[in-house]
Amino acid sequence: AQSVTQLGSHVSVSEGALVLLRCNYSSSVPPYLFWYVQYPNQGLQLLLKYTSAATLVKGINDFEAEFKKSETSFHLTKPSAHMSDAAEYFCAVSDRDSSASKIIFGSGTRLSIRP
Amino acid sequence: NAGVTQTPKFRVLKTGQSMTLLCAQDMNHEYMYWYRQDPGMGLRLIHYSVGEGTTAKGEVPDGYNVSRLKKQNFLLGLESAAPSQTSVYFCASSRLSSGTGPHNEQFFGPGTRLTVL
Repeated sequence: AQSVTQLGSHVSVSEGALVLLRCNYSSSVPPYLFWYVQYPNQGLQLLLKYTSAATLVKGINDFEAEFKKSETSFHLTKPSAHMSDAAEYFCAVSDRDSSASKIIFGSGTRLSIRP
Repeated sequence: NAGVTQTPKFRVLKTGQSMTLLCAQDMNHEYMYWYRQDPGMGLRLIHYSVGEGTTAKGEVPDGYNVSRLKKQNFLLGLESAAPSQTSVYFCASSRLSSGTGPHNEQFFGPGTRLTVL
């Protein structure tokens, strides 16, 4: 069965510092991978997705993620953190053969930004 | 466009009571989903629908029922609420996928916070 593991339930960085949120997936074939963001008291929004067109995927608000098959990873990065990036981030995976575009979410990583 | 809307935003129930959560989307999406979100567990799929009149079980369907009588609406019912169903419930929708092409983005509603006493 597919799954994603997010390393670290809480990450804290200083404003202006590099953001790195880790995600590893488990799948027998390269899946589709997603990063979603959830701001307080809101639903989830798509940050970016990997569908095999390119291994480095750029998303909104300067976030990007790199698909590394050898490491089964899809880590999310941002060069310089902003206070508005404080939110919960979810990595998610979908089987290419999945019906109805079903996706499986990781447990989430809460990102805090220190002034 | 309003996107995905959910009604109500908050609800408190007593054990054994019933209720229905309503999800509506105005994007003409084929697929709709109901998730629950619990601390440290991410989102788990309860039920989903691939079109009007069709529903299917997700990862955690027990204690819930759903109906999709109209394309734009997806209802989640709790027949006899239990404290274990205290959670935040999210509805989502997405466009039809084309064969083995990339899966389309899911659009989420703002959530319903349900407490069962």
